[in-house]
Amino acid sequence: DTAVSQTPKYLVTQMGNDKSIKCEQNLGHDTMYWYKQDSKKFLKIMFSYNNKELIINETVPNRFSPKSPDKAHLNLHINSLELGDSAVYFCASSHSSADTQYFGPGTRLTVL
Amino acid sequence: GENVEQHPSTLSVQEGDSAVIKCTYSDSASNYFPWYKQELGKRPQLIIDIRSNVGEKKDQRIAVTLNKTAKHFSLHITETQPEDSAVYFCADLNAGNMLTFGGGTRLMVKP
Repeated sequence: DTAVSQTPKYLVTQMGNDKSIKCEQNLGHDTMYWYKQDSKKFLKIMFSYNNKELIINETVPNRFSPKSPDKAHLNLHINSLELGDSAVYFCASSHSSADTQYFGPGTRLTVL
Repeated sequence: GENVEQHPSTLSVQEGDSAVIKCTYSDSASNYFPWYKQELGKRPQLIIDIRSNVGEKKDQRIAVTLNKTAKHFSLHITETQPEDSAVYFCADLNAGNMLTFGGGTRLMVKP
């Protein structure tokens, strides 16, 4: 019973395609996040979201958009994929925005 | 924006020795400082955290110290073991409730 899960684990696609990564948490948390980890292992916040507020890191291109069908899910949609989007994407969740964050297993995205 | 500097970027120690990783932050309103351990190909996992109302916290072989005046905090691992080998990340939660991570420290514990 994984607390934070993501699918798929690996995603290989061509430049210009649109893709989605799904995230689910069964912890009853109110806040969910998406992070990008690049090839140098640097972890950067992309979005923070709860049922009241979406906070977007200003450096994230608008080709990326989070979508939350309900409190337990936060999916990441990426349009017009570019080579530089290749990275590992981690979903995370926390009880509130000031609490400990728990990470999903990651999705390795490779854009060819 | 908020900046978190982490040093060293790599650290090699002999099994049984201590390891210390240091981070500095810029936002004086930051009030929560977690440390994550990431093994190769795995997710970051919280190992210890500290809030700004305390100066030190210990959990078995791991301890974290915080100096709010100087805006730096450190991770201390004593009696290191080969399974401690991983990348360690410090982070701080700024006034906007966004976690900013340091650049990571690759710790290698030689048996």
